[in-house]
Amino acid sequence: GAGVSQSPSNKVTEKGKDVELRCDPISGHTALYWYRQSLGQGLEFLIYFQGNSAPDKSGLPSDRFSAERTGGSVSTLTIQRTQQEDSAVYLCASSLSGPTEQYFGPGTRLTVT
Amino acid sequence: DQQVKQNSPSLSVQEGRISILNCDYTNSMFDYFLWYKKYPAEGPTFLISISSIKDKNEDGRFTVFLNKSAKHLSLHIVPSQPGDSAVYFCAAAPSGTYKYIFGTGTRLKVLA
Repeated sequence: GAGVSQSPSNKVTEKGKDVELRCDPISGHTALYWYRQSLGQGLEFLIYFQGNSAPDKSGLPSDRFSAERTGGSVSTLTIQRTQQEDSAVYLCASSLSGPTEQYFGPGTRLTVT
Repeated sequence: DQQVKQNSPSLSVQEGRISILNCDYTNSMFDYFLWYKKYPAEGPTFLISISSIKDKNEDGRFTVFLNKSAKHLSLHIVPSQPGDSAVYFCAAAPSGTYKYIFGTGTRLKVLA
């Protein structure tokens, strides 16, 4: 079956521009996560959606970052006024519900020049 | 403050031998642990998990050991195969929560 997909796979943007990253989770998975992996670092939790509950945004590094999940399925992570330190691989994962094994997408490599 | 540490950034092992990847944690509230494998340009894939009520979990060539008193877990791969060459991440969370804390990964290279 189809796994988690993310688009674009690569994004190069100029400092100060806004970017949108998209995640299509596995059908039927109610939990969706966004992580960020900077060079040489582990995966950093950003945000978590579970069903219709309010998302846990506690990992978002600044108010330039926001995410939404429409219809309990597709999610978009938006970074406004990008900075060079935002350069990283952004990974999306979904799971059947809550704290179970997560299935990751291939990631979006964001480069801010 | 790195709550989950993988102190070996890389490891090389001969094909057929055992690979041992280590992970240390500091938060005593962690009681569910997972290992993921990541190939270049792909997302991590789940390998094996263990909860704190166990000290060992086995799945084929992969075994995870948990030493709660030492706050240490390890992943054993035996026999190692060239296709096992990847980056391995351990992750930990308190029971029932979803905010997994990931280590920085260990790059395993299995030499043919």
